[in-house]
Amino acid sequence: DAKTTQPPSMDCAEGRAANLPCNHSTISGNEYVYWYRQIHSQGPQYIIHGLKNNETNEMASLIITEDRKSSTLILPHATLRDTAVYYCIVRRQGGYQKVTFGTGTKLQVIP
Amino acid sequence: GAVVSQHPSRVICKSGTSVKIECRSLDFQATTMFWYRQFPKQSLMLMATSNEGSKATYEQGVEKDKFLINHASLTLSTLTVTSAHPEDSSFYICSANQGVQGRYEQYFGPGTRLTVT
Repeated sequence: DAKTTQPPSMDCAEGRAANLPCNHSTISGNEYVYWYRQIHSQGPQYIIHGLKNNETNEMASLIITEDRKSSTLILPHATLRDTAVYYCIVRRQGGYQKVTFGTGTKLQVIP
Repeated sequence: GAVVSQHPSRVICKSGTSVKIECRSLDFQATTMFWYRQFPKQSLMLMATSNEGSKATYEQGVEKDKFLINHASLTLSTLTVTSAHPEDSSFYICSANQGVQGRYEQYFGPGTRLTVT
């Protein structure tokens, strides 16, 4: 799987949009971009994923650049409960495909 | 979304004993499950891939005789930490992939906190 690069930490004011960047310059054509988050002492939570088109769900939006070498996860209105470590991962589809985690971005939402 | 459970949520055991951790997919079947370990302030480290009906595949550096994995059914995988030592104290997390029309989402259990005294 391709490697990803994320900033180690970010702050965001409560109620504002949180934009978390991720670089994945070696991504292959059949690899998807996935985002997970891990709140302290819990298992990771799936947020969103996409191949090349932008995606939106009830939790977040995912913006993937046209060359697919980077992406941005957007939390439109961050709350204190969004404080977590956010992981950007690229992987192929398939039930047997394992996921390896990088170091992620520690997002701190500030009141 | 799909639900993955783990049991127990936390366990304390004495050095030299064995501990079994269960991972269940509650509302879907999973032929493949994954086991991770996470030390404080570190990222998740993949330990092994658990395959229903066959042997697990271990990542490099993970002792297969120490971390026994059994995937006896499509909804249950177990991780047994044998002869546990204090350095095995960690947060163990399992996950499973659910596929819907070719798209896969990976769901994680809540984790098991193991403390070896």
